[in-house]
Amino acid sequence: DIQMTQSPSTLSASVGDRVTITCRASQSISSWLAWYQQKPGKAPRLLIYKASILETGVPSRFSGSRSGTEFTLTISSLQPDDFATYYCQQYNSYSVFGQGTRLEIK
Amino acid sequence: QLLLQESGPGLVKPSETLSLSCAVSGGSISSSRYYWGWVRQSPRKGLEWIGSMFYSGITYYNPSVKSRVTISVDKSKNQFSLRLTSVTAADTAVFYCARHRVGATLGTFFFDNWGQGTLVTVSS
Repeated sequence: DIQMTQSPSTLSASVGDRVTITCRASQSISSWLAWYQQKPGKAPRLLIYKASILETGVPSRFSGSRSGTEFTLTISSLQPDDFATYYCQQYNSYSVFGQGTRLEIK
Repeated sequence: QLLLQESGPGLVKPSETLSLSCAVSGGSISSSRYYWGWVRQSPRKGLEWIGSMFYSGITYYNPSVKSRVTISVDKSKNQFSLRLTSVTAADTAVFYCARHRVGATLGTFFFDNWGQGTLVTVSS
């Protein structure tokens, strides 16, 4: 089974900061990776798929990249609406989510 | 605008069957572009894909629940359903229905539209 490991578990940042969240796959998943944003009491929202393709309607401050089995989600300039939990998900073999990264206000 | 809405009992007894429905509006469940299915979320397991189905009836299930799960479609009502048998407390979760897009191969998906979720508690 492919395992997805996100880091950090919690990230404290301020409005305007550039932040990066990392997700590492236990084996190759090519670029079959998605990123989601989830706010308390709400469903996850798709941000990025195939590692770097921005879903329609998602602000351009969000971006994704891949280096081997390591994937990153970058928010170029944090906005108040961005404080949430972020999940990665591989869909190379079945569909498996990471454990989440909580982005909180510093 | 695509909307998905889950419905079903919020409390199920251990060993019984969990049944949920998902009504889809603003789009057709018979679209050849998408699959439809279920994801659940619990504090213990996090987000977990349960299974997916195509309008023709083709299904894919997570091996961890495959022996207990059935996803079916009712095209006339534009909705689909989840049945999970022999539930235990470990099945307590928020269940989301979602529209799926195909990934690497058939059987691999990501999820581009979600319902609001419904909490199902397994308890006597």
